[in-house]
Amino acid sequence: DVKVTQSSRYLVKRTGEKVFLECVQDMDHENMFWYRQDPGLGLRLIYFSYDVKMKEKGDIPEGYSVSREKKERFSLILESASTNQTSMYLCASSSQDRESSPLHFGNGTRLTVT
Amino acid sequence: GQNIDQPTEMTATEGAIVQINCTYQTSGFNGLFWYQQHAGEAPTFLSYNVLDGLEEKGRFSSFLSRSKGYSYLLLKELQMKDSASYLCAVMDSNYQLIWGAGTKLIIKP
Repeated sequence: DVKVTQSSRYLVKRTGEKVFLECVQDMDHENMFWYRQDPGLGLRLIYFSYDVKMKEKGDIPEGYSVSREKKERFSLILESASTNQTSMYLCASSSQDRESSPLHFGNGTRLTVT
Repeated sequence: GQNIDQPTEMTATEGAIVQINCTYQTSGFNGLFWYQQHAGEAPTFLSYNVLDGLEEKGRFSSFLSRSKGYSYLLLKELQMKDSASYLCAVMDSNYQLIWGAGTKLIIKP
């Protein structure tokens, strides 16, 4: 069974801090994704990666960056946290067949920026 | 623009049947997914439809009509553990997933 592990379930950070959210998957998946989930909105894609060292901007990349140095690990970085980045962050992975391969999600990191 | 519409909330009774609808307008279509998400947990995959028709998986079925831009998730013999949000997502021509806001399903005894 695929396991996607996010390093923290809850984080509280101050405005202006640099924040690292880590995600590791154990199924050798090529594709990895970072989403944020806010009440009343669908999942919004921040960044994704189809290979090591590769990254693509999603729909809302502003204020975020990512790193994928190893296939199993995809990190999301908030360069200077702001209160509007308070949200639930979900990491997901999928295998190479982009069409029918479902996403496997981590349990999420609930980030509060004060 | 691209859009996925689902009802915000639905209520049903334990043991009954409920149908959760999803309509979509996207640039291209490469499949539709349904996910279940319990409160405070990760979404988990339920079904995938790419051709018209009904796909059945135990108590859950998913239907797709591409010409109408419409899908539904049918849950039979409802159990209390089915209380969750149900997310509809469509893969567009660029293989990007477009997500609905989710339908919160409340099951009453």
